[in-house]
Amino acid sequence: AQSVTQLDSQVPVFEEAPVELRCNYSSSVSVYLFWYVQYPNQGLQLLLKYLSGSTLVKGINGFEAEFNKSQTSFHLRKPSVHISDTAEYFCAVTLINDYKLSFGAGTTVTVRA
Amino acid sequence: KAGVTQTPRYLIKTRGQQVTLSCSPISGHRSVSWYQQTPGQGLQFLFEYFSETQRNKGNFPGRFSGRQFSNSRSEMNVSTLELGDSALYLCASSFPPQETQYFGPGTRLLVL
Repeated sequence: AQSVTQLDSQVPVFEEAPVELRCNYSSSVSVYLFWYVQYPNQGLQLLLKYLSGSTLVKGINGFEAEFNKSQTSFHLRKPSVHISDTAEYFCAVTLINDYKLSFGAGTTVTVRA
Repeated sequence: KAGVTQTPRYLIKTRGQQVTLSCSPISGHRSVSWYQQTPGQGLQFLFEYFSETQRNKGNFPGRFSGRQFSNSRSEMNVSTLELGDSALYLCASSFPPQETQYFGPGTRLLVL
């Protein structure tokens, strides 16, 4: 079975500074990888996904992630954060044709002025 | 396109009661999945339906059940509610071949 580890539970960051959220997964077979964001009292919004092809994936709101198969990682980055990026971020994995997502525990990003 | 909609958005029940939550997928999406989100356990997969058939089920007791209708709308039911069932229940839909799940705003259930 696949699993996801988000290495940081909380990440404080100043406005306009870069941020990196770390995600590692374990699976013996090929997977699809996702990052979702959850704002307070809302559902999950898809930021970006890796299905195949280029290992550098660009998403919405200036976020990007890099798939590293040898290190089984899928870290999320943004070069310059805004106050509005304050939210909880979830990394998720699914096996191909498995029809379910396995989520990490989440990383809370707090952006300060 | 309209997104995934869930009703009701908030619900308060007492122990022992049952509850039914509803989910309408994005138009054209035929797969619907349900997840439970709690502070202690995080996001956990409940079940997934496609063409009215359950294809995958998570590790939840039989009190949790679901179904999907011919128009792809889905309902989940929780019987004999326990305090620990208090959670945000999220529904997601996808267009086969399954790859990306799009989530609704969730139903927040409080069991007293």
